[in-house]
Amino acid sequence: GAVVSQHPSWVICKSGTSVKIECRSLDFQATTMFWYRQFPKQSLMLMATSNEGSKATYEQGVEKDKFLINHASLTLSTLTVTSAHPEDSSFYICSAQDRGSGEQYFGPGTRLTVT
Amino acid sequence: AQTVTQSQPEMSVQEAETVTLSCTYDTSESDYYLFWYKQPPSRQMILVIRQEAYKQQNATENRFSVNFQKAAKSFSLKISDSQLGDAAMYFCAYLEYGNKLVFGAGTILRVKS
Repeated sequence: GAVVSQHPSWVICKSGTSVKIECRSLDFQATTMFWYRQFPKQSLMLMATSNEGSKATYEQGVEKDKFLINHASLTLSTLTVTSAHPEDSSFYICSAQDRGSGEQYFGPGTRLTVT
Repeated sequence: AQTVTQSQPEMSVQEAETVTLSCTYDTSESDYYLFWYKQPPSRQMILVIRQEAYKQQNATENRFSVNFQKAAKSFSLKISDSQLGDAAMYFCAYLEYGNKLVFGAGTILRVKS
């Protein structure tokens, strides 16, 4: 089946630093990838939609300068949390849409802890 | 914008019994997709079942089935012969324009042995 990976699975960083999270579709091409944020025992909140070769579309209330998204190829999208603060600590999940079938597949998530 | 409502924050079921999780949604579209996802403690999102709105027949995947009532905008998930491994958070989701998934708040399912 289609597999989406995320790296790292868990990252701890100091306040004020930046951290990059990678989302890869391993066995299919993804023209569109989605980035979500999830707090404990809560639902997934869509942050942005990234399309290969174009600028990401951010949901209302999401700071585009803080959460930089790059979709450089058909198999890789990255989310960079810039100048991270403790309130950015959360679980970040990506999903990738198969270019052929249109199905969406989820990555395993990345736990970010900002100290 | 479409909304998805899951009114049961938590549910419990005895092992081998049947449980139904509720979901309602709001849309003005006539053709759309609905999903149930499972999120176990590992937090990996797993697709449980999918329903296409234009199909009248309720989707079924082994022990999982849905009761899709289009007019009532209701999409409940029935889990038969519940197993310990079914314990997870379950999300109902609607696929809206732009292929964005709109999720409900989720229902935590506990399975008692």
